[in-house]
Amino acid sequence: AQSVTQLDSQVPVFEEAPVELRCNYSSSVSVYLFWYVQYPNQGLQLLLKYLSGSTLVESINGFEAEFNKSQTSFHLRKPSVHISDTAEYFCAVSAMAGNTGKLIFGQGTTLQVKP
Amino acid sequence: DARVTQTPRHKVTEMGQEVTMRCQPILGHNTVFWYRQTMMQGLELLAYFRNRAPLDDSGMPKDRFSAEMPDATLATLKIQPSEPRDSAVYFCASGFQGIKGGYTFGSGTRLTVV
Repeated sequence: AQSVTQLDSQVPVFEEAPVELRCNYSSSVSVYLFWYVQYPNQGLQLLLKYLSGSTLVESINGFEAEFNKSQTSFHLRKPSVHISDTAEYFCAVSAMAGNTGKLIFGQGTTLQVKP
Repeated sequence: DARVTQTPRHKVTEMGQEVTMRCQPILGHNTVFWYRQTMMQGLELLAYFRNRAPLDDSGMPKDRFSAEMPDATLATLKIQPSEPRDSAVYFCASGFQGIKGGYTFGSGTRLTVV
């Protein structure tokens, strides 16, 4: 079985400051890793994913995440945040074995960007 | 952009009533998920289907919840009888052939049981 821990429930940050949202996972098998973003009153949107290859993955809006197998982490970072980045962010994992596609989410981290 | 459509967006019902939530997955997607989101539990996987067949519904209370895919364009989640603890946002998501492409989520059905 897999589990995901997002270490911070809320992260307040000022506009244009850097931010890191932390995610650790537990799994006895290899996993795919994802970050999803949820804006108020909307569904979740895929932000970025790690399937294989380079451990650093990037999104189109400036976020990046690095897969660290030894630390079982997949932290999300952005060097300079905007007000529009205010949202809830979810880390998720899915076991590679069997490719069932079952996606397990963390509890979410609310990013609050202040002017 | 292709979308996952969920209806209704909001539902208020009295305890004991039947509730049916509907989801239209993206055309061509063969995997459909139902998730429930609450403040206390976060996102919980209730059930999922591949090629309309149920793969896993272990997260769903069997005595009152049921999930079906009558055809490839419709997935339903029913609660009968509903209880106040079922109040949550229910999301449907669809994807193709497993996880690698990620999933597209609908906007959710916000259910309030009074």
